[in-house]
Amino acid sequence: EAQVTQNPRYLITVTGKKLTVTCSQNMNHEYMSWYRQDPGLGLRQIYYSMNVEVTDKGDVPEGYKVSRKEKRNFPLILESPSPNQTSLYFCASSIQGLEAEAFFGQGTRLTVV
Amino acid sequence: QQQVKQSPQSLIVQKGGISIINCAYENTAFDYFPWYQQFPGKGPALLIAIRPDVSEKKEGRFTISFNKSAKQFSLHIMDSQPGDSATYYCAASRRGYQKVTFGIGTKLQVIP
Repeated sequence: EAQVTQNPRYLITVTGKKLTVTCSQNMNHEYMSWYRQDPGLGLRQIYYSMNVEVTDKGDVPEGYKVSRKEKRNFPLILESPSPNQTSLYFCASSIQGLEAEAFFGQGTRLTVV
Repeated sequence: QQQVKQSPQSLIVQKGGISIINCAYENTAFDYFPWYQQFPGKGPALLIAIRPDVSEKKEGRFTISFNKSAKQFSLHIMDSQPGDSATYYCAASRRGYQKVTFGIGTKLQVIP
């Protein structure tokens, strides 16, 4: 089954404690992207990747890191989480960029206290 | 500074009516304008998209109208159905780039 898998689905953490949200897709997609969704602010792109070792910033990259060492994985790293990073995070992949159908993960609800 | 402004933030439409969501952008370099539909608990799904070389694109009951001079585009949902109840996001990006900027979203409720 074609899917994008995010882990964990829910996470409560404390300020400053490094964390990683994993994202894996099994469709051999080149494009992967991370988004956050906040009430009143909607969706905002954090980072995206066009292929292995190719990543670039979206609209809100501050406080986040990503890596793309393998085609299937695109982890989102919060080196020192802060409360303003409390959000619902989505990972997505597509065969070729924004104009192709995107497959989204189930979402990760992160709370930083 | 919000580069893509979307209105209204919420919309209630009677079944069978027309739902209209408007968006405006500022960056004239934008040349790809997708719309996404998101149901509660799910990720967004690409619904329909347009490039500025056409003024209108229709797919089933969904139509995008595009006004390049006014830097505005809108989504029309004809014959709205309760199953269309969702949050809709307009977005904008540049050809050859994969960075996308979203509007704030419109929560649509279609009542029977």
